[in-house]
Amino acid sequence: EAGVAQSPRYKIIEKRQSVAFWCNPISGHATLYWYQQILGQGPKLLIQFQNNGVVDDSQLPKDRFSAERLKGVDSTLKIQPAKLEDSAVYLCASSLNLLDTDTQYFGPGTRLTVL
Amino acid sequence: AQSVAQPEDQVNVAEGNPLTVKCTYSVSGNPYLFWYVQYPNRGLQFLLKYITGDNLVKGSYGFEAEFNKSQTSFHLKKPSALVSDSALYFCAVRPRGGSYIPTFGRGTSLIVHP
Repeated sequence: EAGVAQSPRYKIIEKRQSVAFWCNPISGHATLYWYQQILGQGPKLLIQFQNNGVVDDSQLPKDRFSAERLKGVDSTLKIQPAKLEDSAVYLCASSLNLLDTDTQYFGPGTRLTVL
Repeated sequence: AQSVAQPEDQVNVAEGNPLTVKCTYSVSGNPYLFWYVQYPNRGLQFLLKYITGDNLVKGSYGFEAEFNKSQTSFHLKKPSALVSDSALYFCAVRPRGGSYIPTFGRGTSLIVHP
């Protein structure tokens, strides 16, 4: 079974630029999550989708971050414009459904460096 | 608000010795508790979880964790450490009902010396 795929693996941009990350969850997984992991900290949930609907985005900085999962499969996370403090690893995870939130399968992450 | 504390940034243990990685939590009501492991340049992998029932939970790779409600702890343990266990370990908590948002600890780096 293929795991959660993310791209790119690394991205370096300057502040005020825009960036987008892509995630392909495990086939058949209805629930998708985006996390931000700042160096030295645990992952922080940004947004959670069930199929193509948002379940929780209370921790997403909506003035600069946006995410979508239009067809209920792949998802993109965008930052526009980026700030220095956005430097982090962005993790995508998926689970079979909302009731199975404990068993999340994580992708390798995208390491973002904002200069 | 829920929170997780992993009081040790790093744990060092010799191969073959028992290991313990500590975790304490704060949450309203009864918790769901989890341990994840992160190897270098790889995503987090699920190790084990406590939902209900037996306080001793067994997980992947020979790891186990003990839920202690009175001490609000969920320490990760393994009877005999391997060098390949060296990784970053994260404890997480989620309350029963309501929000599905898990809260992760900051992680503990486990180093197993040959």
